[in-house]
Amino acid sequence: GQNIDQPTEMTATEGAIVQINCTYQTSGFNGLFWYQQHAGEAPTFLSYNVLDGLEEKGRFSSFLSRSKGYSYLLLKELQMKDSASYLCAVLDSNYQLIWGAGTKLIIKP
Amino acid sequence: IAGITQAPTSQILAAGRRMTLRCTQDMRHNAMYWYRQDLGLGLRLIHYSNTAGTTGKGEVPDGYSVSRANTDDFPLTLASAVPSQTSVYFCASSDGGQGSEAFFGQGTRLTVV
Repeated sequence: GQNIDQPTEMTATEGAIVQINCTYQTSGFNGLFWYQQHAGEAPTFLSYNVLDGLEEKGRFSSFLSRSKGYSYLLLKELQMKDSASYLCAVLDSNYQLIWGAGTKLIIKP
Repeated sequence: IAGITQAPTSQILAAGRRMTLRCTQDMRHNAMYWYRQDLGLGLRLIHYSNTAGTTGKGEVPDGYSVSRANTDDFPLTLASAVPSQTSVYFCASSDGGQGSEAFFGQGTRLTVV
């Protein structure tokens, strides 16, 4: 079967750095997405990786290793507004998106 | 600019009743999707439409139907609601299939009692 694994919950301190991991086992791979979802709101797009390596976008970076079936989202200089769930999703060989359950990130002052 | 709009935002529905969740986008995206989001689970695709006039089944289509008469609208119908359909429903659209950035509506919280 197809599977996306993310930690259920993480806690970090304002101003610090946090890394949210995502591992996947899917039938093929055509890209990996990260979305942010604040409580009670819609998911919003953060990043898309299809090649190995690090993609940096301001305070957020996303890394992909296709050979390891692994990605992480790196958030720097954490702000209280970064408290949210972070969803990892993989596009499989049929171009269907497989979603992880999400990681709830709690930021403490 | 509205983007993508869902209605209603929340609903309590008696089991056995019929219900249509509405979704409208003004971005002229070809592809539209309906997902359900349940606690502890990832988003699950119910139905999708790659272009007006076509629809397809997702991962969990049973008990749901959709139509796509035009580019903007993509309603989801529960023919006879059951308690297991209690969930948060998200409509989304994208310019180029599931491999492109999706834009989500604000969600409909549905409770079937």
